[in-house]
Amino acid sequence: RKEVEQDPGPFNVPEGATVAFNCTYSNSASQSFFWYRQDCRKEPKLLMSVYSSGNEDGRFTAQLNRASQYISLLIRDSKLSDSATYLCAVNRGNDKVIFGPGTSLSVIP
Amino acid sequence: ETGVTQTPRHLVMGMTNKKSLKCEQHLGHNAMYWYKQSAKKPLELMFVYNFKEQTENNSVPSRFSPECPNSSHLFLHLHTLQPEDSALYLCASSLDLSSGSRKLFFGEGSRLTVL
Repeated sequence: RKEVEQDPGPFNVPEGATVAFNCTYSNSASQSFFWYRQDCRKEPKLLMSVYSSGNEDGRFTAQLNRASQYISLLIRDSKLSDSATYLCAVNRGNDKVIFGPGTSLSVIP
Repeated sequence: ETGVTQTPRHLVMGMTNKKSLKCEQHLGHNAMYWYKQSAKKPLELMFVYNFKEQTENNSVPSRFSPECPNSSHLFLHLHTLQPEDSALYLCASSLDLSSGSRKLFFGEGSRLTVL
């Protein structure tokens, strides 16, 4: 089993839709969690950290469920500019930040 | 505009060549990383440095040799590579290795092709 797994995608959604991405991690000692966004042929960029109580940044909401070892990202009112690959990342508490394979999102006019 | 710069952006090399990738961060961070991103595969952690000391070598073949002369600079020396080493090599930095400081800032990457 991979250490960090994500929905395989791709997700094709119309503008204005709400879309949710899921990510599971296998190491229960993991300490911090992040969502990154990667545009085609570009570097990953931090989208948001994920906190235990859940957190929101504009149209983006991140949730963490430690018991189920699961994090999620919800995007409301999707924009064309949201089209990208979304990467889940997990800090195991040692020196490793492990990334999931990513989920591709295409927002369609 | 990224605070992490990588050079060269593109590199084509033969299997017998020796080349180096360079990374410089202007963010005042103390930890630096090399990741490899191959097509259709997740980002793979290669090396981690914290305050110039290597803290992680993720079972990387010896044909990849990292060097970190100071907290702002990181190199990846390449020697006798294989075609399957062709990938995007991404450098990243974070404030340090404490749990709350592991937000990574990436450079734009060096796209390597090994012929």
